[in-house]
Amino acid sequence: DTEVTQTPKHLVMGMTNKKSLKCEQHMGHRAMYWYKQKAKKPPELMFVYSYEKLSINESVPSRFSPECPNSSLLNLHLHALQPEDSALYLCASSQGQGHNTEAFFGQGTRLTVV
Amino acid sequence: AQSVTQLDSQVPVFEEAPVELRCNYSSSVSVYLFWYVQYPNQGLQLLLKYLSGSTLVKGINGFEAEFNKSQTSFHLRKPSVHISDTAEYFCAVSVWTSGTYKYIFGTGTRLKVLA
Repeated sequence: DTEVTQTPKHLVMGMTNKKSLKCEQHMGHRAMYWYKQKAKKPPELMFVYSYEKLSINESVPSRFSPECPNSSLLNLHLHALQPEDSALYLCASSQGQGHNTEAFFGQGTRLTVV
Repeated sequence: AQSVTQLDSQVPVFEEAPVELRCNYSSSVSVYLFWYVQYPNQGLQLLLKYLSGSTLVKGINGFEAEFNKSQTSFHLRKPSVHISDTAEYFCAVSVWTSGTYKYIFGTGTRLKVLA
């Protein structure tokens, strides 16, 4: 199984809503990532978890809150978002520390903030 | 800081013609390079990777790339493209920082295959 599964595929939320994006992998990977991708742009790194601990936060606004409940799951909690936060949110995983291999990406969640 | 540059934002090419998508990297240490493809409204799929060893790397869907240290390049090639190759292609580099690897992407090249 080389899949990274993201749910939901599409999400529309109001600026006062609270929602969560979910990501799951069963490859035994110990590093998990959240990327944000705007139209016609490359993915931009938001957060990295390594061995279930937050390793990198690329100065992301606090309205985005990541969570790694266990080594297979990664969540992104959303609260009080702005319309400019509308984007494709991609989750990825890789083997992690000491193993430099590729990142595996999910299909993404298309988020629209209204 | 390690980074990759994709100079061509768009590359139009006729079906069955060869294509080369350019990627240059900047790094003063060991470098690990990747090419990903993204079809509309989908995630990223790995085409090929260079971690070490042979500088000519073969990937999926008939793509290959050559790691050239003297020219700091990692160009992607395919001898004969198909309509289905129309997509966005990203070159990426992995960087060791804060006890983990992060992946940094170039700005992307949109390959448009014409009938």
